[in-house]
Amino acid sequence: AQTVTQSQPEMSVQEAETVTLSCTYDTSESDYYLFWYKQPPSRQMILVIRQEAYKQQNATENRFSVNFQKAAKSFSLKISDSQLGDAAMYFCAYRSPSGNTPLVFGKGTRLSVIA
Amino acid sequence: NAGVMQNPRHLVRRRGQEARLRCSPMKGHSHVYWYRQLPEEGLKFMVYLQKENIIDESGMPKERFSAEFPKEGPSILRIQQVVRGDSAAYFCASSPRLVIHEQFFGPGTRLTVL
Repeated sequence: AQTVTQSQPEMSVQEAETVTLSCTYDTSESDYYLFWYKQPPSRQMILVIRQEAYKQQNATENRFSVNFQKAAKSFSLKISDSQLGDAAMYFCAYRSPSGNTPLVFGKGTRLSVIA
Repeated sequence: NAGVMQNPRHLVRRRGQEARLRCSPMKGHSHVYWYRQLPEEGLKFMVYLQKENIIDESGMPKERFSAEFPKEGPSILRIQQVVRGDSAAYFCASSPRLVIHEQFFGPGTRLTVL
């Protein structure tokens, strides 16, 4: 079974600075999908970014980018120019490519943004 | 196109009562997933349904919990004889028939058992 580990329960960053959230995963599959979800105090799960394992290029969405290291099974999220609205729980998630499979989530990292 | 709808948003039950959580997937989506989030935890998969079929219920407790996704109407997650340990946020996600990358989440139902 696949597992996802987020080793940083809490992180903080100064407004306008850059922060990196860590995620590692364990799988025997060669192809899969990885995601970062944001959960603000409203509890709504918001997709931030996704990465297909077969793509070598790291995904980027505006101020959010990932560092995908397939051999190391690492998938970190970098948030540049942090804003107060980035404060939230961030969850890393894994999905097998076979059929409509469920997501496997890490325990999350709580990000605080300091003004 | 409305997003995934869940109701109620908040539900309070006393121990021993039944809880019914509803999920209406996005229009055109025929796959529904239920996840549970305990306090300070990530989401844990419970059950995956397609219209009128349970595809994978490996994450759902064998007793007291059941789920359905009828041909017409929303998906229902039912918890009988609730206990305090059932207090959690329950999220529904949906995806269309075709295999795509992401699932679209509803706002969740927060269940509190007194």
